[in-house]
Amino acid sequence: EAQVTQNPRYLITVTGKKLTVTCSQNMNHEYMSWYRQDPGLGLRQIYYSMNVEVTDKGDVPEGYKVSRKEKRNFPLILESPSPNQTSLYFCASSLLGTSGNNEQFFGPGTRLTVL
Amino acid sequence: AQSVTQLGSHVSVSEGALVLLRCNYSSSVPPYLFWYVQYPNQGLQLLLKYTTGATLVKGINGFEAEFKKSETSFHLTKPSAHMSDAAEYFCAVRRTDSWGKLQFGAGTQVVVTP
Repeated sequence: EAQVTQNPRYLITVTGKKLTVTCSQNMNHEYMSWYRQDPGLGLRQIYYSMNVEVTDKGDVPEGYKVSRKEKRNFPLILESPSPNQTSLYFCASSLLGTSGNNEQFFGPGTRLTVL
Repeated sequence: AQSVTQLGSHVSVSEGALVLLRCNYSSSVPPYLFWYVQYPNQGLQLLLKYTTGATLVKGINGFEAEFKKSETSFHLTKPSAHMSDAAEYFCAVRRTDSWGKLQFGAGTQVVVTP
Protein backbone atom coordinates (compact mmCIF):
# COMPACT_ATOMS: atom_id res chain seq x y z
CA GLU A 1 0.00 0.00 0.00
CA ALA A 2 1.31 3.43 -0.99
CA GLN A 3 1.70 5.48 2.12
CA VAL A 4 3.60 7.96 4.25
CA THR A 5 4.36 6.70 7.72
CA GLN A 6 5.39 8.70 10.76
CA ASN A 7 6.73 7.55 14.11
CA PRO A 8 5.94 8.02 16.85
CA ARG A 9 2.27 9.00 16.52
CA TYR A 10 2.21 10.48 20.01
CA LEU A 11 5.08 11.80 22.09
CA ILE A 12 5.28 13.59 25.41
CA THR A 13 8.70 14.89 26.32
CA VAL A 14 10.42 17.51 28.45
CA THR A 15 12.13 20.73 27.53
CA GLY A 16 15.62 20.26 26.15
CA LYS A 17 15.52 16.52 25.51
CA LYS A 18 16.51 15.86 21.92
CA LEU A 19 14.01 13.94 19.84
CA THR A 20 13.55 12.71 16.29
CA VAL A 21 10.30 12.13 14.43
CA THR A 22 10.74 9.77 11.53
CA CYS A 23 8.97 9.98 8.19
CA SER A 24 9.13 7.37 5.46
CA GLN A 25 7.38 7.04 2.10
CA ASN A 26 7.23 4.05 -0.24
CA MET A 27 6.15 5.87 -3.41
CA ASN A 28 9.61 6.85 -4.71
CA HIS A 29 8.71 10.53 -4.34
CA GLU A 30 11.42 13.13 -4.82
CA TYR A 31 9.74 15.81 -2.74
CA MET A 32 9.14 15.60 1.01
CA SER A 33 8.06 18.21 3.50
CA TRP A 34 7.30 18.79 7.16
CA TYR A 35 4.44 20.91 8.52
CA ARG A 36 3.13 21.83 11.90
CA GLN A 37 -0.56 22.38 12.53
CA ASP A 38 -1.76 24.73 15.24
CA PRO A 39 -5.35 25.85 15.92
CA GLY A 40 -6.27 28.95 13.98
CA LEU A 41 -3.02 28.93 12.02
CA GLY A 42 -3.57 26.08 9.60
CA LEU A 43 -0.48 24.21 8.48
CA ARG A 44 2.86 25.94 8.35
CA GLN A 45 5.78 24.54 6.47
CA ILE A 46 8.92 23.81 8.49
CA TYR A 47 11.37 22.33 5.97
CA TYR A 48 11.17 20.69 2.61
CA SER A 49 13.40 18.58 0.40
CA MET A 50 13.38 18.47 -3.39
CA ASN A 51 15.58 15.37 -3.48
CA VAL A 52 18.31 13.48 -1.64
CA GLU A 53 20.75 15.85 0.07
CA VAL A 54 18.67 18.88 -1.01
CA THR A 55 16.77 20.60 1.80
CA ASP A 56 15.49 24.12 2.35
CA LYS A 57 13.67 26.17 4.93
CA GLY A 58 9.96 26.69 4.97
CA ASP A 59 8.18 29.44 6.86
CA VAL A 60 8.91 28.28 10.43
CA PRO A 61 12.29 26.47 10.51
CA GLU A 62 13.60 27.83 13.81
CA GLY A 63 14.30 25.09 16.35
CA TYR A 64 14.15 22.26 13.82
CA LYS A 65 16.63 20.31 11.72
CA VAL A 66 16.13 17.83 8.91
CA SER A 67 18.23 15.53 6.80
CA ARG A 68 17.63 13.66 3.55
CA LYS A 69 20.22 10.93 3.20
CA GLU A 70 17.88 8.49 1.49
CA LYS A 71 15.04 9.15 -0.88
CA ARG A 72 12.42 7.44 1.24
CA ASN A 73 13.25 8.99 4.64
CA PHE A 74 13.02 12.55 5.92
CA PRO A 75 13.43 12.74 9.71
CA LEU A 76 12.58 15.85 11.71
CA ILE A 77 14.96 16.60 14.56
CA LEU A 78 14.30 18.82 17.55
CA GLU A 79 17.66 19.21 19.27
CA SER A 80 16.35 21.16 22.25
CA PRO A 81 12.56 21.10 22.26
CA SER A 82 10.65 23.91 23.95
CA PRO A 83 6.98 24.14 24.97
CA ASN A 84 6.16 26.36 21.96
CA GLN A 85 6.96 23.38 19.74
CA THR A 86 3.99 21.52 21.17
CA SER A 87 1.97 20.86 18.04
CA LEU A 88 0.63 18.35 15.54
CA TYR A 89 3.25 17.52 12.92
CA PHE A 90 2.64 16.20 9.44
CA CYS A 91 5.05 14.80 6.90
CA ALA A 92 4.10 14.81 3.22
CA SER A 93 5.58 13.65 -0.05
CA SER A 94 4.95 14.05 -3.77
CA LEU A 95 6.43 13.54 -7.16
CA LEU A 96 8.16 16.59 -8.60
CA GLY A 97 7.33 16.10 -12.26
CA THR A 98 7.39 18.98 -14.71
CA SER A 99 4.90 21.24 -12.94
CA GLY A 100 4.28 22.24 -9.39
CA ASN A 101 0.73 21.04 -9.06
CA ASN A 102 1.40 17.47 -8.03
CA GLU A 103 -0.63 16.12 -5.14
CA GLN A 104 1.04 15.83 -1.77
CA PHE A 105 0.36 12.69 0.23
CA PHE A 106 0.23 13.22 3.96
CA GLY A 107 1.20 11.01 6.84
CA PRO A 108 -1.17 10.41 9.77
CA GLY A 109 0.47 13.02 12.00
CA THR A 110 2.55 13.07 15.17
CA ARG A 111 1.13 14.79 18.21
CA LEU A 112 4.02 16.24 20.22
CA THR A 113 3.74 17.69 23.70
CA VAL A 114 6.75 19.40 25.26
CA LEU A 115 6.48 19.98 29.00
CA ALA B 1 5.16 37.84 -0.54
CA GLN B 2 2.38 35.37 -0.89
CA SER B 3 -0.49 34.70 1.48
CA VAL B 4 -3.65 32.68 1.59
CA THR B 5 -6.85 33.86 3.26
CA GLN B 6 -9.81 31.68 4.08
CA LEU B 7 -12.86 33.65 5.11
CA GLY B 8 -14.64 32.10 8.04
CA SER B 9 -13.01 29.71 10.47
CA HIS B 10 -16.32 27.89 11.03
CA VAL B 11 -19.22 27.28 8.68
CA SER B 12 -22.46 25.56 9.61
CA VAL B 13 -24.68 24.21 6.84
CA SER B 14 -27.82 22.13 6.79
CA GLU B 15 -27.78 18.75 5.15
CA GLY B 16 -28.73 19.25 1.51
CA ALA B 17 -27.76 22.92 1.44
CA LEU B 18 -25.02 24.57 -0.59
CA VAL B 19 -21.51 24.51 0.83
CA LEU B 20 -19.38 27.55 -0.04
CA LEU B 21 -15.88 27.98 1.32
CA ARG B 22 -13.92 31.05 0.34
CA CYS B 23 -10.23 31.28 -0.48
CA ASN B 24 -8.29 34.29 -1.69
CA TYR B 25 -4.60 34.47 -2.45
CA SER B 26 -2.22 37.33 -2.90
CA SER B 27 0.36 36.79 -5.57
CA SER B 28 1.48 38.78 -8.58
CA VAL B 29 1.47 35.60 -10.65
CA PRO B 30 -1.35 33.05 -10.35
CA PRO B 31 0.04 30.24 -8.25
CA TYR B 32 -0.78 26.56 -8.18
CA LEU B 33 -3.93 26.19 -6.09
CA PHE B 34 -5.23 23.28 -4.04
CA TRP B 35 -8.01 22.37 -1.67
CA TYR B 36 -7.35 19.72 0.97
CA VAL B 37 -9.74 18.12 3.46
CA GLN B 38 -8.92 16.82 6.92
CA TYR B 39 -11.32 14.45 8.62
CA PRO B 40 -11.11 14.14 12.41
CA ASN B 41 -7.88 12.58 13.63
CA GLN B 42 -6.57 12.04 10.13
CA GLY B 43 -4.03 13.52 7.77
CA LEU B 44 -4.95 15.71 4.83
CA GLN B 45 -6.15 14.46 1.48
CA LEU B 46 -6.46 16.30 -1.78
CA LEU B 47 -9.95 17.41 -2.85
CA LEU B 48 -8.96 19.14 -6.05
CA LYS B 49 -6.29 21.26 -7.69
CA TYR B 50 -6.23 24.04 -10.21
CA THR B 51 -4.81 23.21 -13.59
CA THR B 52 -3.94 26.05 -15.96
CA GLY B 53 -6.62 26.68 -18.55
CA ALA B 54 -9.62 25.30 -16.69
CA THR B 55 -11.40 27.84 -14.50
CA LEU B 56 -13.85 25.33 -13.05
CA VAL B 57 -12.21 22.37 -11.40
CA LYS B 58 -14.03 19.25 -10.28
CA GLY B 59 -12.79 17.20 -7.37
CA ILE B 60 -13.77 14.22 -5.31
CA ASN B 61 -16.98 13.80 -3.32
CA GLY B 62 -18.93 16.27 -5.49
CA PHE B 63 -16.80 19.31 -4.69
CA GLU B 64 -15.71 21.83 -7.27
CA ALA B 65 -13.83 25.11 -7.24
CA GLU B 66 -13.76 28.10 -9.53
CA PHE B 67 -10.58 30.00 -10.26
CA LYS B 68 -11.12 33.72 -10.82
CA LYS B 69 -7.92 35.47 -11.70
CA SER B 70 -9.47 38.95 -11.55
CA GLU B 71 -10.61 38.34 -7.98
CA THR B 72 -7.55 36.23 -6.98
CA SER B 73 -9.99 33.68 -5.62
CA PHE B 74 -10.42 29.92 -5.63
CA HIS B 75 -13.68 29.29 -3.80
CA LEU B 76 -14.84 25.74 -3.06
CA THR B 77 -18.47 24.67 -3.47
CA LYS B 78 -20.69 21.63 -3.20
CA PRO B 79 -24.33 21.91 -4.25
CA SER B 80 -25.75 19.63 -1.55
CA ALA B 81 -24.04 19.00 1.78
CA HIS B 82 -23.89 15.53 3.25
CA MET B 83 -23.26 14.62 6.85
CA SER B 84 -19.98 13.03 5.78
CA ASP B 85 -18.72 16.43 4.60
CA ALA B 86 -18.13 17.51 8.20
CA ALA B 87 -14.39 18.16 8.28
CA GLU B 88 -11.81 20.90 8.14
CA TYR B 89 -10.95 22.31 4.71
CA PHE B 90 -7.71 23.98 3.75
CA CYS B 91 -6.86 26.08 0.75
CA ALA B 92 -3.19 25.94 -0.26
CA VAL B 93 -1.01 27.75 -2.77
CA ARG B 94 2.36 27.02 -4.29
CA ARG B 95 4.36 29.59 -6.16
CA THR B 96 5.01 28.76 -9.79
CA ASP B 97 8.61 29.97 -9.48
CA SER B 98 9.34 28.11 -6.24
CA TRP B 99 7.71 24.70 -6.15
CA GLY B 100 9.17 23.76 -2.81
CA LYS B 101 7.16 26.14 -0.68
CA LEU B 102 3.51 25.45 0.01
CA GLN B 103 1.37 27.84 2.05
CA PHE B 104 -1.91 26.88 3.66
CA GLY B 105 -4.82 28.98 4.77
CA ALA B 106 -5.94 28.84 8.38
CA GLY B 107 -8.68 26.36 7.57
CA THR B 108 -12.47 26.32 7.69
CA GLN B 109 -14.28 23.88 9.95
CA VAL B 110 -17.52 22.68 8.36
CA VAL B 111 -20.36 21.46 10.54
CA VAL B 112 -23.34 19.78 8.85
CA THR B 113 -26.64 19.78 10.72
CA PRO B 114 -29.52 17.40 10.02
